[in-house]
Amino acid sequence: QKEVEQNSGPLSVPEGAIASLNCTYSDRGSQSFFWYRQYSGKSPELIMSIYSNGDKEDGRFTAQLNKASQYVSLLIRDSQPSDSATYLCAVNRPSGGGADGLTFGKGTHLIIQP
Amino acid sequence: DVKVTQSSRYLVKRTGEKVFLECVQDMDHENMFWYRQDPGLGLRLIYFSYDVKMKEKGDIPEGYSVSREKKERFSLILESASTNQTSMYLCASSLLTGTGYEQYFGPGTRLTVT
Repeated sequence: QKEVEQNSGPLSVPEGAIASLNCTYSDRGSQSFFWYRQYSGKSPELIMSIYSNGDKEDGRFTAQLNKASQYVSLLIRDSQPSDSATYLCAVNRPSGGGADGLTFGKGTHLIIQP
Repeated sequence: DVKVTQSSRYLVKRTGEKVFLECVQDMDHENMFWYRQDPGLGLRLIYFSYDVKMKEKGDIPEGYSVSREKKERFSLILESASTNQTSMYLCASSLLTGTGYEQYFGPGTRLTVT
């Protein structure tokens, strides 16, 4: 069973600080990695995707990928109360080249304290 | 922007009823997906489709079927609804980018079976 593991939290971070969210995955064949943000009662929203080892930055968000260690992380700089949400890590299902869906972690609940 | 719509936000059905959940995307995406999301279990893939008339089982297809008669529309069918199918149902479609198949979700349908 291919797995994606996340700490469920809650992770509490002061406003303005850096929030660090981590994810590990079990299948070395995974090639594409995604972070989704989900507000309570809403559907997941894609915020970052990463394919290559290293860092990828988009505004206040940085995704980091280390395939050798099989982990993905998401950094949120200058955290805002509006960043409070559940963050889902997802990896492609290796069969089908990624066209056949994603495997999701159960999510980390992030709370930004004003 | 990718637009994925679902026919209902909230639905209440009785045990044994046949239930149709409809999903439409307007971006000409080849791939479409149905997930369910439950507390403590996360997002789980039910069925997906590569193209019109094509369907593939995901991780939890039991008790469900799907239909894809047109490229933009993907329907989830509960042949005989049961209480354990009470859940949030999320439809998604995917686009191939430089980082893999990025999935975009509809707003979700919260189904209650009584």
